[in-house]
Amino acid sequence: NAGVTQTPKFRILKIGQSMTLQCAQDMNHNYMYWYRQDPGMGLKLIYYSVGAGITDKGEVPNGYNVSRSTTEDFPLRLELAAPSQTSVYFCASCTTGGSFYEQYFGPGTRLTVT
Amino acid sequence: AQTVTQSQPEMSVQEAETVTLSCTYDTSENNYYLFWYKQPPSRQMILVIRQEAYKQQNATENRFSVNFQKAAKSFSLKISDSQLGDTAMYFCASSGDNDMRFGAGTRLTVKP
Repeated sequence: NAGVTQTPKFRILKIGQSMTLQCAQDMNHNYMYWYRQDPGMGLKLIYYSVGAGITDKGEVPNGYNVSRSTTEDFPLRLELAAPSQTSVYFCASCTTGGSFYEQYFGPGTRLTVT
Repeated sequence: AQTVTQSQPEMSVQEAETVTLSCTYDTSENNYYLFWYKQPPSRQMILVIRQEAYKQQNATENRFSVNFQKAAKSFSLKISDSQLGDTAMYFCASSGDNDMRFGAGTRLTVKP
């Protein structure tokens, strides 16, 4: 199993540009998450999904959109990128939410908006 | 809503010594779980240890153990016989209904 994969690893965007961060998992997990990690900080939840076709906002959803058309994929869309969105983005997946089961994390995408 | 607080931004320990990282949390959930994750310079998030809140017995995992004080909402991590490979950021996290909240992290350096 590849686990959780994220592309790209690095990206530089200009202010106002848009992009999609890709996330895929091959563990047949129902729950998937997007987090951002600002320098020197912990992870903050952007959006999560409890299954295909179902998504919900986390702690910091503004400026982002998600979709979940399949169990495997959970892309994160940035519209009109702003410098405040400079961060490292982590995707994670889990068998079930709100549970004892650990979340499996991808390697992260480092995004810089200038 | 859940909040997780780690009051020690940085700590250091000599190799082979013991170190304790602090974490407090607040939650309105009745059923929740607590975790410690390690993030080495590679940025990969690695689960260190987890605790079910309804269990009184403290979790242990080899050199890692927790001191879970439910009434005080405290969840500290003890690392025994520290090794150079333990150098990393450590995040405390609380899992509720559908999401997980993380603390700001403690940067641990193990000195030779």
